[in-house]
Amino acid sequence: KNEVEQSPQNLTAQEGEFITINCSYSVGISALHWLQQHPGGGIVSLFMLSSGKKKHGRLIATINIQEKHSSLHITASHPRDSAVYICAVKSGSRLTFGEGTQLTVNP
Amino acid sequence: DVKVTQSSRYLVKRTGEKVFLECVQDMDHENMFWYRQDPGLGLRLIYFSYDVKMKEKGDIPEGYSVSREKKERFSLILESASTNQTSMYLCASNPLWGNTGELFFGEGSRLTVL
Repeated sequence: KNEVEQSPQNLTAQEGEFITINCSYSVGISALHWLQQHPGGGIVSLFMLSSGKKKHGRLIATINIQEKHSSLHITASHPRDSAVYICAVKSGSRLTFGEGTQLTVNP
Repeated sequence: DVKVTQSSRYLVKRTGEKVFLECVQDMDHENMFWYRQDPGLGLRLIYFSYDVKMKEKGDIPEGYSVSREKKERFSLILESASTNQTSMYLCASNPLWGNTGELFFGEGSRLTVL
C-alpha cells in the first residue's frame, strides 16, 4: 500500500461543476501539499496545509489530521483547471508524493 | 517570482551516452532536488543538495550522480544512459531558512533513451 493514496485517478467534469479530489496518507506528517501539473510538465504549488482549511480563489483545501485525509475542492470548474493534481506529504525531511489525479473539465 | 530553469525540455539519447541535465534557480535557495516522474509511480527523489558541494541520496540514486559547484546550479548526470531511465525529470528548490516547505519546480526535462 502506498503511503499516499489519491482518488479518483481520473476525473472528467463539465464546466461549472464542483470538484473534489481526495488524498489519504498513512504516516505522521508535519504538512501536506497540493500541487498542480499542466500538460508539458511544470508543477505549481497550490497549498501547503498543516491543519484546517485554506482558500485561494475557486480552490479550497482541507485537512483532517486525525483521519489522515485531505481534500482539494474546485468550485465553478473551468476548462483551464484541466491538469494533474498531486498530493504530497512532508514527514521529517522527506516528501512523499501521490500518483496524481488527472482532471479534465469539458466546456 | 522564483524561477527554476531546466536547460532542456526534450532530449533523445542513445543507450550508453553520458547525459547532463542542468537546473538553475535565481532565488538563492539552499535546497535543490532532482525527481523523476513515471506513470503509476508519482514523483520519486533521486538526489538532493542542501549546500554547495553537498549532496544526499534520495530514494532511487542508482545510475545517477549529481554536481553542485555553485549555489544556483544543480546538475544531474547519467553516466551511461539506459532505456529504463527514459522519464520526465523535474528539478525543484526551496530555502533552508524560513522554510515553509513550499517547493518551486522547473518545467521538466523529458528524456528518451533509445
